[in-house]
Amino acid sequence: KAGVTQTPRYLIKTRGQQVTLSCSPISGHRSVSWYQQTPGQGLQFLFEYFSETQRNKGNFPGRFSGRQFSNSRSEMNVSTLELGDSALYLCASSPTGVGGYTFGSGTRLTVV
Amino acid sequence: AQTVTQSQPEMSVQEAETVTLSCTYDTSESDYYLFWYKQPPSRQMILVIRQEAYKQQNATENRFSVNFQKAAKSFSLKISDSQLGDAAMYFCAYRKNSGTYKYIFGTGTRLKVLA
Repeated sequence: KAGVTQTPRYLIKTRGQQVTLSCSPISGHRSVSWYQQTPGQGLQFLFEYFSETQRNKGNFPGRFSGRQFSNSRSEMNVSTLELGDSALYLCASSPTGVGGYTFGSGTRLTVV
Repeated sequence: AQTVTQSQPEMSVQEAETVTLSCTYDTSESDYYLFWYKQPPSRQMILVIRQEAYKQQNATENRFSVNFQKAAKSFSLKISDSQLGDAAMYFCAYRKNSGTYKYIFGTGTRLKVLA
């Protein structure tokens, strides 16, 4: 079956702009998590959604937001982009959150 | 707060040989999961192996096995018969089994496999 699909794979944005990243989980998976990966900070948890509700949120400013739709697809949005937002953004899905997550290949965001 | 430490930024192994990657963690929880993920240049994080804290038996998946020492809070990954395709970044991760399902990742170990 299809894996976790993230679009787009690459994105270049200008400082001050906003961006929306998309994640389609594995069919039947209702939990979706997002992570930011940077060389300096490593992998950091952004948020987790389950059945359209945000269950957990990491320590990121309010410029980072997300949502989950009734078909479990998820989007994350970053407003007023800063250079430090340049990172690989990884999405992961799980049937319920218990056990392991399956990750996508990520979206590489570059802010210039 | 929980932490995960991988003290080996980089490791090398000859093809067909065995290598062990180290991971230590700190938590006051008793019920949790530990994971090893592999991230090749394709960027996708691939689950290698998972260990549930309440299970004393070490998990194994084909050539991959762990040495889980709960009291010492140690969780090392052993790769036997190393193959060129094993070359990647390896991340150790912790997740408690209640409340939040977020992973806490270590900083990773880059594994090079020499032909």
